[in-house]
Amino acid sequence: AQRVTQPEKLLSVFKGAPVELKCNYSYSGSPELFWYVQYSRQRLQLLLRHISRESIKGFTADLNKGETSFHLKKPFAQEEDSAMYYCALIRGSTLGRLYFGRGTQLTVWP
Amino acid sequence: ETGVTQSPTHLIKTRGQQVTLRCSSQSGHNTVSWYQQALGQGPQFIFQYYREEENGRGNFPPRFSGLQFPNYSSELNVNALELDDSALYLCASSRLVGGGLTDTQYFGPGTRLTVL
Repeated sequence: AQRVTQPEKLLSVFKGAPVELKCNYSYSGSPELFWYVQYSRQRLQLLLRHISRESIKGFTADLNKGETSFHLKKPFAQEEDSAMYYCALIRGSTLGRLYFGRGTQLTVWP
Repeated sequence: ETGVTQSPTHLIKTRGQQVTLRCSSQSGHNTVSWYQQALGQGPQFIFQYYREEENGRGNFPPRFSGLQFPNYSSELNVNALELDDSALYLCASSRLVGGGLTDTQYFGPGTRLTVL
């Protein structure tokens, strides 16, 4: 079975500080990993996916298969980064069935 | 390009009733997935439709059913509503690409269902 764990329900940092949102997964195969973000009063949207290896809004995430982690990082947090962040995975080729973690609410203080 | 839309925005029902939620997929997308998001939880996969057929189902009872229409829009039907069905229901559309994989899923704003 597959599982996505986000150990922090809430995370607060000050503007300009580094931020890391943790995500661990359990799945024996080769998953595809994603980070989705939901800003206040907006819909859930894709932030980044590991296969594209892009940096979006200054965020990066590296898939560590040894530690089964996909932590989201940003060196200098901004107030507009305050949002709910969800880590998710797709198992192999399962036609896009996303398995989500419970989410981490990030608050960036001025 | 039109995004994913869902209707209604909010809905209140009582136990035992039936409900139909609707989703219009994004232009060019042929796959629709439905998710249930309970308060304080991440979205949970209900099922997915491709070419008007159910194409994968999560751990939900048969009273959760769906349809996909030729224009790729979709409905989620829930019979015999229970209190625990109260949640935000999300629809996501995507495009099936080669090798049985789908491209990025784009989510709608959701329908908030309250069961009293």
